[in-house]
Amino acid sequence: QVQLVQSGAEVKKPGASVKVSCKASGYTFTSYNINWVRQATGQGLEWMGWMSPNSGNTGYAQKFQGRVTITRNTSISTAYMELTSLRSEDTAVYYCARQYGDYVGWFDPWGQGTLVTVSS
Amino acid sequence: QSVLTQPPSASGTPGQRVTISCSGSSSNIGSSTVNWYQHLPGTAPKLLIYSNNQRPSGVPDRFSGSKSGTSASLAISGLQSEDEADFYCASWDDSLIGWVFGGGTKLTVL
Repeated sequence: QVQLVQSGAEVKKPGASVKVSCKASGYTFTSYNINWVRQATGQGLEWMGWMSPNSGNTGYAQKFQGRVTITRNTSISTAYMELTSLRSEDTAVYYCARQYGDYVGWFDPWGQGTLVTVSS
Repeated sequence: QSVLTQPPSASGTPGQRVTISCSGSSSNIGSSTVNWYQHLPGTAPKLLIYSNNQRPSGVPDRFSGSKSGTSASLAISGLQSEDEADFYCASWDDSLIGWVFGGGTKLTVL
């Protein structure tokens, strides 16, 4: 079945960087964009950016421009999201999601989420 | 402040019908499709409605979506206790060149 499996929880200090992985299985990895969405504690879902695993092209939400980088390793069907200059407000659960369907599509499925805690 | 506007909460008793609204603008809902996600704490969000009114296989027909102009809505009929969750609308925004989400609606089954 189509599945996205993310790396485990991380604890980082302010100013550090974190890199979360998202391994795809059950479909052709290069055929569909991967998006990253986060949910801070007590907040709603927030879109961070997208990547085409085929071309490597990316697009980021303005809020995260300059701090986020989405990359991929097609040989192992894995996408990565790196967030730098971490601050306490970046404490959140980070999700990857496959963008499927016609036109702009929709997100399905989602990874199980990765908790990133930023604390001194 | 989310780009798409949803009520923070909604409630109903078992068997009732509830609707959740999602208001946007011409750059998102007005020019794109709307998707709805159901999110239970500690789990991955789940696709509930795509392309305004389409249900993925496995989603009960108690759930339905609609869109008109720059607004959309999710209707849940025959409310069940297991429907308690957070619901989010989402759409592509041509001005922001990115996806935008509603702030989420917490559904409580009384």
